[in-house]
Amino acid sequence: AQKVTQAQTEISVVEKEDVTLDCVYETRDTTYYLFWYKQPPSGELVFLIRRNSFDEQNEISGRYSWNFQKSTSSFNFTITASQVVDSAVYFCALSEAANFGNEKLTFGTGTRLTIIP
Amino acid sequence: DSGVTQTPKHLITATGQRVTLRCSPRSGDLSVYWYQQSLDQGLQFLIQYYNGEERAKGNILERFSAQQFPDLHSELNLSSLELGDSALYFCASSMTGRDEQYFGPGTRLTVT
Repeated sequence: AQKVTQAQTEISVVEKEDVTLDCVYETRDTTYYLFWYKQPPSGELVFLIRRNSFDEQNEISGRYSWNFQKSTSSFNFTITASQVVDSAVYFCALSEAANFGNEKLTFGTGTRLTIIP
Repeated sequence: DSGVTQTPKHLITATGQRVTLRCSPRSGDLSVYWYQQSLDQGLQFLIQYYNGEERAKGNILERFSAQQFPDLHSELNLSSLELGDSALYFCASSMTGRDEQYFGPGTRLTVT
């Protein structure tokens, strides 16, 4: 069964600090997809990134970067030079979409990030 | 704006009632998913449709049902509502099952 663990329930940092959100996943499949979503106070879920299990290359998008390590089953998310607008709940999710009928997202419990001005 | 629309945004109803939540996927997306977000259960998958056919079921109660119409919009029907059904219900869509899912703004259901 697939499972996603986000051990950090809440994190607070001062603006401009770097912050890393941890995500550990469990799956028996060799082909799977990992995601990060942001849920700002307004409530919508905003897609940030998708990674497939065969691509372990780290990705950077502006102030955001993601570190995927299959050896530790982790897919961590780092925000560099944090800003107040980064305050949100961040969800890591897993999909075993290689299997027909198992394309659903399994979410972690989320990490509430607060950026203090 | 994700391109996924959901109506209504808010719904307040009484226990025992029935409601219908509506979702229009992004243009070109064939797959529609429904998720429930509550404080105690977190984000849980309910059901998926692909091009009009049910593809997968998750933790969906028997009192809940859904369908996807030929124009690909989807409806989630919740009946015999209980207080515990109060939650944020999200619809998401993707082109295929392997693509990223884009979420609508959600429908906040309050059962009193």
